[in-house]
Amino acid sequence: GESVGLHLPTLSVQEGDNSIINCAYSNSASDYFIWYKQESGKGPQFIIDIRSNMDKRQGQRVTVLLNKTVKHLSLQIAATQPGDSAVYFCAESSLLGKLTFGQGTILTVHP
Amino acid sequence: DAGVTQSPTHLIKTRGQQVTLRCSPKSGHDTVSWYQQALGQGPQFIFQYYEEEERQRGNFPDRFSGHQFPNYSSELNVNALLLGDSALYLCASRTVQGAYEQYFGPGTRLTVT
Repeated sequence: GESVGLHLPTLSVQEGDNSIINCAYSNSASDYFIWYKQESGKGPQFIIDIRSNMDKRQGQRVTVLLNKTVKHLSLQIAATQPGDSAVYFCAESSLLGKLTFGQGTILTVHP
Repeated sequence: DAGVTQSPTHLIKTRGQQVTLRCSPKSGHDTVSWYQQALGQGPQFIFQYYEEEERQRGNFPDRFSGHQFPNYSSELNVNALLLGDSALYLCASRTVQGAYEQYFGPGTRLTVT
């Protein structure tokens, strides 16, 4: 099932540090995974995705790692900036595009 | 190129009333999904529309219904509102022929009093 709860995990980092946000997913048959960033009062914003036949994918300042053995995803943000402060969600996508979101993580970047 | 747009931005309703939320997908997208996001939680899938039909549905009661128009825009209707329906309602669009990537709108904040 999906994670629920009012108290999201938090991660506080200093500007310029690297951040690592972790996520566990539930469906071993999932083929596609996405990381979303959600700022206060806004909808989720696509960051990066990865297919299940890959274990790593890099974007601009972000890297997603997929470990299917333990059903774990991570998002690495290099040189974190204050503008990266937000809630980060991982999501699994079904073939037809139904997204199942994991528990979010609140990232706070201190100048 | 306009992204996903939603209206209204905010809405306050009373228990028992009905509400209609609207979504226009990103240009070129033909599939629209609706999500409910309660405070402090991740979005929960309500349903998805493609070719003007509901193609998938999440674990939501029949009070939640929708519609997709020929121009791919969509409406979410909620009847007999409950206090627990207070949430941010998000619309996401994609193209069925393209990648899995979905784009979200800014959401409609619904408050039920």
